[in-house]
Amino acid sequence: QMQLQESGPGLVKPSQILSLTCSVSGDSIRGGNYWTWIRQHPEEGLGWIGNIDHRGTTNYNPSLKSRVTISIDTSKSQFSLKLNSVTAADTAVYFCARENRNGPYSIAFDVWGQGTKVTVSP
Amino acid sequence: DIQMTQSPSTLSASVGDRVTITCRASQSISTWLAWYQQKLGKAPKLLIYMASTLQGGVPSRFSGSGSGTDFSLTISSLQPDDFATYFCQQYHTYPWTFGQGTKVEIK
Repeated sequence: QMQLQESGPGLVKPSQILSLTCSVSGDSIRGGNYWTWIRQHPEEGLGWIGNIDHRGTTNYNPSLKSRVTISIDTSKSQFSLKLNSVTAADTAVYFCARENRNGPYSIAFDVWGQGTKVTVSP
Repeated sequence: DIQMTQSPSTLSASVGDRVTITCRASQSISTWLAWYQQKLGKAPKLLIYMASTLQGGVPSRFSGSGSGTDFSLTISSLQPDDFATYFCQQYHTYPWTFGQGTKVEIK
């Protein structure tokens, strides 16, 4: 059974880079699925950050596009998130998730990591 | 961005009740809609995709319907394990967007 696990610092200083990694186990990262980052603010709900496929093709939320980079390392079965120039508004729980794809069509997020809380504070 | 609006924000109900949560999209999304259940401190769990297809392992008391802009999630007989927050999510047009959530509380 596929499992996802986020890792990375829980505290980041303002203006610095938030960096998280998601480790994939139990199934191949090389299939046709999309690997996704989602965050959840206590007051603002769930927000889709972006995704990547096994070839490295990415899609980003335009609201974050200038600051975000998602990358993949298929040899390590990992994908990563980097968010530049963070502020307090980036404080959230960050989830990695699998977007199940059937060819060109999405079947939504069927596997999630447990989530990791990241606080932006001096 | 496509805005997803859920109602109600909070719903108080008793075990055995039939409950319905609605989700409205700001433009047509065909049936590209999913529903998730989230419990406190946990990741969301996929319940339904393509508006009405039950994810494997999800109890049959959950059902989804709708197309275009108006959707609903129904729990036919609320169970103690169902008290949680429910979110809808569209995957018709990037960026994918979520509703603000509906909290189902014990009455």
